[in-house]
Amino acid sequence: AQSVTQLGSHVSVSEGALVLLRCNYSSSVPPYLFWYVQYPNQGLQLLLKYTSAATLVKGINGFEAEFKKSETSFHLTKPSAHMSDAAEYFCAVSEGGAAGNKLTFGGGTRVLVKP
Amino acid sequence: DTGVSQDPRHKITKRGQNVTFRCDPISEHNRLYWYRQTLGQGPEFLTYFQNEAQLEKSRLLSDRFSAERPKGSFSTLEIQRTEQGDSAMYLCASSSAGYNEQFFGPGTRLTVL
Repeated sequence: AQSVTQLGSHVSVSEGALVLLRCNYSSSVPPYLFWYVQYPNQGLQLLLKYTSAATLVKGINGFEAEFKKSETSFHLTKPSAHMSDAAEYFCAVSEGGAAGNKLTFGGGTRVLVKP
Repeated sequence: DTGVSQDPRHKITKRGQNVTFRCDPISEHNRLYWYRQTLGQGPEFLTYFQNEAQLEKSRLLSDRFSAERPKGSFSTLEIQRTEQGDSAMYLCASSSAGYNEQFFGPGTRLTVL
């Protein structure tokens, strides 16, 4: 069975500071990993995905994430926070194949950006 | 707009009533997923279709819930005899077989009074 743990349900950063959101996963097979962002009362938008190619993945809006198999981690970073980054972020894992790519999500991390 | 659409966006109902939600996936996508998201939590998988076949259902999907995808196009999710615990955001997503990226709709927020 697959699972995802996001450390920290809330993160507060200053505008211009580094954003670091932590995600650890468990999976019985090589996983596919995703980060999604959700703005209030909206659906989820894909930021980036890891699908067994490069371990450092670049996404939209300046975000990137690094897959570390030995640590079973897929942390999300952005060098310089912008006010528009205030949202909730979800890490998700999929095992693909016969499981039909269903996603298992972490509990989410809400990001607050201070001016 | 050719994204995933959901209707209605908001639904308020009284306990015991039946409700039905609709999802229209991206037209060329043959996989369709339903998730439920309660306040402060991540989305949880409910069920998924490949074309018109419902291939997996979560244990979260009690007997009061039923989903269909006639002709492999749009999908409906019906909840019978709603309970206050059904209050949540219901999200629909679609993808192409062989691709892992799921595209999400805006969701239907259900409030059961």
